[in-house]
Amino acid sequence: GEDVEQSLFLSVREGDSSVINCTYTDSSSTYLYWYKQEPGAGLQLLTYIFSNMDMKQDQRLTVLLNKKDKHLSLRIADTQTGDSAIYFCAAMDTGRRALTFGSGTRLQVQP
Amino acid sequence: GAVVSQHPSWVICKSGTSVKIECRSLDFQATTMFWYRQFPKQSLMLMATSNEGSKATYEQGVEKDKFLINHASLTLSTLTVTSAHPEDSSFYICSARAVRDTIYFGEGSWLTVV
Repeated sequence: GEDVEQSLFLSVREGDSSVINCTYTDSSSTYLYWYKQEPGAGLQLLTYIFSNMDMKQDQRLTVLLNKKDKHLSLRIADTQTGDSAIYFCAAMDTGRRALTFGSGTRLQVQP
Repeated sequence: GAVVSQHPSWVICKSGTSVKIECRSLDFQATTMFWYRQFPKQSLMLMATSNEGSKATYEQGVEKDKFLINHASLTLSTLTVTSAHPEDSSFYICSARAVRDTIYFGEGSWLTVV
């Protein structure tokens, strides 16, 4: 089955860019997702990328996909304190067509 | 984006009782919904895949008789935790598949069994 890994913690200063990295194992994953979770809340879909793309930009968010290395990253430009949250990377398991999640990266934005 | 609503957001129940959590897709139809469980400071664990009009598919290690899932319509799936025990206390989150395999999550439901 799919295995998704992320670093656990990232700390940046307000106004800097944040880059959260993720690796996955199933090369046939069709969609890869980034979700944001604030304390005590559900998951907010931030963006997703189809496997035949290598980049997707949406306002302050840029997703880069290196399919050869099975590496996904999320870049947040001009990071704000409101961006502090846990960010989950998820890959579509092609067998079950369900999502497999990474452990989540806690982003801390310092003023 | 699409909206998925869960109810209740918080529930406290006594040991041995059953509790039902609802998951609704508000502005789209979802033939497939998913139920996840999340322990504090951990990632999401897929419990089961709920398909409209058919039996749910449970992940290995998830007791289907304890976690009853019903997907009676294209906009509603329910999770019933039967004979709840304190170890069932957790954050339960549902999600629904929309077009182009975009998956939207509900706000989650905190269950505390006392």
